[in-house]
Amino acid sequence: DGGITQSPKYLFRKEGQNVTLSCEQNLNHDAMYWYRQDPGQGLRLIYYSQIVNDFQKGDIAEGYSVSREKKESFPLTVTSAQKNPTAFYLCASSIVGGQGSYGYTFGSGTRLTVV
Amino acid sequence: KQEVTQIPAALSVPEGENLVLNCSFTDSAIYNLQWFRQDPGKGLTSLLLIQSSQREQTSGRLNASLDKSSGRSTLYIAASQPGDSATYLCAVRWNRDDKIIFGKGTRLHILP
Repeated sequence: DGGITQSPKYLFRKEGQNVTLSCEQNLNHDAMYWYRQDPGQGLRLIYYSQIVNDFQKGDIAEGYSVSREKKESFPLTVTSAQKNPTAFYLCASSIVGGQGSYGYTFGSGTRLTVV
Repeated sequence: KQEVTQIPAALSVPEGENLVLNCSFTDSAIYNLQWFRQDPGKGLTSLLLIQSSQREQTSGRLNASLDKSSGRSTLYIAASQPGDSATYLCAVRWNRDDKIIFGKGTRLHILP
């Protein structure tokens, strides 16, 4: 079955550490997205990529970095510069260009906690 | 500014009732609108996707309508069940190759 896989499901980070969240899709989607979700605040876009080797900042990119070396993969690194990283992180993908319904497909999320 | 609003933020109804969730958006020139369900601690599950040329989509007990002229979409849930308890999010895409904008969701609780 096609879908998006996020790993790990739970992640604990010590102060000052960088951590990387994995997102892999086998839907052959061109675009991939990272969102952060905090209680009562809804979804906020961190970074997105519409093509390999290219990505754009979203609304809250500070303290985060991404790469898009392969169409299937869009890892997110939470750096030590992110002062409040505890949150639920969601990855999504979508078709861009060509034929299709252009709906978003989401992964099951990674819950990051700073300890 | 393009915005998506969902009111109310939370809703409780007795089991068995039919209910309507609302989504409003600025700028009626949308490309499509998508309704999602999110259970606590889980990812988003797509429920229905309505293209700008469509007026409604149906899946089982769910029916989503779209009225672009008034900037509104509704998600109708028939014969509600406790398993329908979740947060429902509405998201709008204004351009084919652009990212979508989410509402903050309606947290639905079905009372057994």
